[in-house]
Amino acid sequence: AQSVTQLGSHVSVSEGALVLLRCNYSSSVPPYLFWYVQYPNQGLQLLLKYTTGATLVKGINGFEAEFKKSETSFHLTKPSAHMSDAAEYFCAVSVGWTGTASKLTFGTGTRLQVTL
Amino acid sequence: GAVVSQHPSWVICKSGTSVKIECRSLDFQATTMFWYRQFPKQSLMLMATSNEGSKATYEQGVEKDKFLINHASLTLSTLTVTSAHPEDSSFYICSAPVNTEAFFGQGTRLTVV
Repeated sequence: AQSVTQLGSHVSVSEGALVLLRCNYSSSVPPYLFWYVQYPNQGLQLLLKYTTGATLVKGINGFEAEFKKSETSFHLTKPSAHMSDAAEYFCAVSVGWTGTASKLTFGTGTRLQVTL
Repeated sequence: GAVVSQHPSWVICKSGTSVKIECRSLDFQATTMFWYRQFPKQSLMLMATSNEGSKATYEQGVEKDKFLINHASLTLSTLTVTSAHPEDSSFYICSAPVNTEAFFGQGTRLTVV
């Protein structure tokens, strides 16, 4: 079975500062990795994903993440935080993309606060 | 991208009544739909997987008789919370996989009073 650990349930950064949200995964097979953002009382929006190929993936809103197999990590970064980035961020893993293999296992989430 | 429409977005019901939540795939056919539950300030937990034309698969600890899932067509999956109790109050979200991405509904905030 796969699992995801997000270090830090709450991260606070100043506007314009680097954003770093940590995610480590455990999987017995090559994983598919995702980062989602959730605004209050809304569904989830995909920021970026790693399936195969290039380990540095770029997503929407200036976010990127690097898949590091040796460290079993998939940390999310953004060079300069905006106030609009304040939200809940979830890292997720799946082991495939057909049928039940595509179900996502989520981390516990990290709430990003951006201050002036 | 693909659109999953979930209704209602919020519902308040009395204890003991049943509530139906619908998820529709608007521009694609969803053979599989995942149903998640999210308690306040917690992560999403998979409740069940619905497959068009067959019985849903429930995760361990989820009562199948309480959370009825129907996936009668390729564009509609429903979750019915039967005999709802206050502890069922939660945020319920559906999701359908398309290629290498999951598309989520807007979520349903259920409050049982």
